[in-house]
Amino acid sequence: AQKVTQAQTEISVVEKEDVTLDCVYETRDTTYYLFWYKQPPSGELVFLIRRNSFDEQNEISGRYSWNFQKSTSSFNFTITASQVVDSAVYFCALSEFQGFQKLVFGTGTRLLVSP
Amino acid sequence: DGGITQSPKYLFRKEGQNVTLSCEQNLNHDAMYWYRQDPGQGLRLIYYSQIVNDFQKGDIAEGYSVSREKKESFPLTVTSAQKNPTAFYLCASSIGLAGATDTQYFGPGTRLTVL
Repeated sequence: AQKVTQAQTEISVVEKEDVTLDCVYETRDTTYYLFWYKQPPSGELVFLIRRNSFDEQNEISGRYSWNFQKSTSSFNFTITASQVVDSAVYFCALSEFQGFQKLVFGTGTRLLVSP
Repeated sequence: DGGITQSPKYLFRKEGQNVTLSCEQNLNHDAMYWYRQDPGQGLRLIYYSQIVNDFQKGDIAEGYSVSREKKESFPLTVTSAQKNPTAFYLCASSIGLAGATDTQYFGPGTRLTVL
């Protein structure tokens, strides 16, 4: 069965530090998609990125970067020069197709950025 | 502005009552989903609908019911049969693409508390 593990329950950093959130997944599918979502205190999940299993290129978007390594089944997320507004819970998710698109979520990592 | 709205933001229910959570989207998406989030856990799928007048059970459908009479609306009823309904409920929608490639976008959520 598909599974997503986010081993870091909570991370605390000081503003301007870099931080990496880990995500390890399990799947037997050869075609799949990986996602990261941000959940700020307001509660809404905000989509950050989608990556397909055939594209192992790292991606950078401003202070955010993602490292996808199929060999280790990992899809890690790095925030460079963290800011207080980055404080949130971050979820990694794996998409599988079961006649519909099903998202399997990790348990989330709470990031606290203090000034 | 296109998006997903959920109402109410907070809902209190007495034991034995049924309550209905609203979810509306104006993104012209075919697929809609309901998730439940408990503290420290990832999201779990309650129901999903790929098209109007059709919906399917997710992983934790017991004690819940849905309808999909209109493309833009997917209300969730939490019945008295749900033994532990206190949770945060999130609605999502997606275009409804075949395969695992779809991206789900989420509403702001409804926090349900049973008194």
